[in-house]
Amino acid sequence: GQQVMQIPQYQHVQEGEDFTTYCNSSTTLSNIQWYKQRPGGHPVFLIQLVKSGEVKKQKRLTFQFGEAKKNSSLHITATQTTDVGTYFCSGTYKYIFGTGTRLKVLA
Amino acid sequence: DAGVIQSPRHEVTEMGQEVTLRCKPISGHNSLFWYRQTMMRGLELLIYFNNNVPIDDSGMPEDRFSAKMPNASFSTLKIQPSEPRDSAVYFCASSWDQGLGGSYHSYEQYFGPGTRLTVT
Repeated sequence: GQQVMQIPQYQHVQEGEDFTTYCNSSTTLSNIQWYKQRPGGHPVFLIQLVKSGEVKKQKRLTFQFGEAKKNSSLHITATQTTDVGTYFCSGTYKYIFGTGTRLKVLA
Repeated sequence: DAGVIQSPRHEVTEMGQEVTLRCKPISGHNSLFWYRQTMMRGLELLIYFNNNVPIDDSGMPEDRFSAKMPNASFSTLKIQPSEPRDSAVYFCASSWDQGLGGSYHSYEQYFGPGTRLTVT
């Protein structure tokens, strides 16, 4: 079946450093969503990408959908302690969530 | 809007007991999802309803698990009998989904706060 892998699994960064997580699907995705889950919380929707090669920005966050619609990335510029949490991508055709990347920001 | 409501927030039960988790989706949403989250297996989709009809239950672990959605504003996930390996956080989520020619174009999912289940 479809699998969605994310790398890295964990990432520790110093506050102010950049961070990137990658999402790779074994099959072509109709669209992709990104969620953030704070420690002890629930996943919260960040953004949805639909078009091949699409790039969207939200303040310090940049999201990209691959040309083949099988991969995606989330890049955070100048991380802050409020960015701590686990970031998930979701291939919405089967509502499968990626394995997640847990980000820790060291002040 | 109150968001997705789940109850109970915490449940501790003994192996063999029946457990029922409840969810009230956001009014107007036509899709409801049950997920299970563990450290080992991550966030797994258990079952998905669209317009109160189960669409995909391939993620339901085994016959001990059952889910119902009797109306647009209520769903339950039941585990009977419960086992220690069922210990996890169970999330309910809702969204507005529009199926187009077999390819679902879904909008964002809104997650509830989750139910932390511990089976001893």
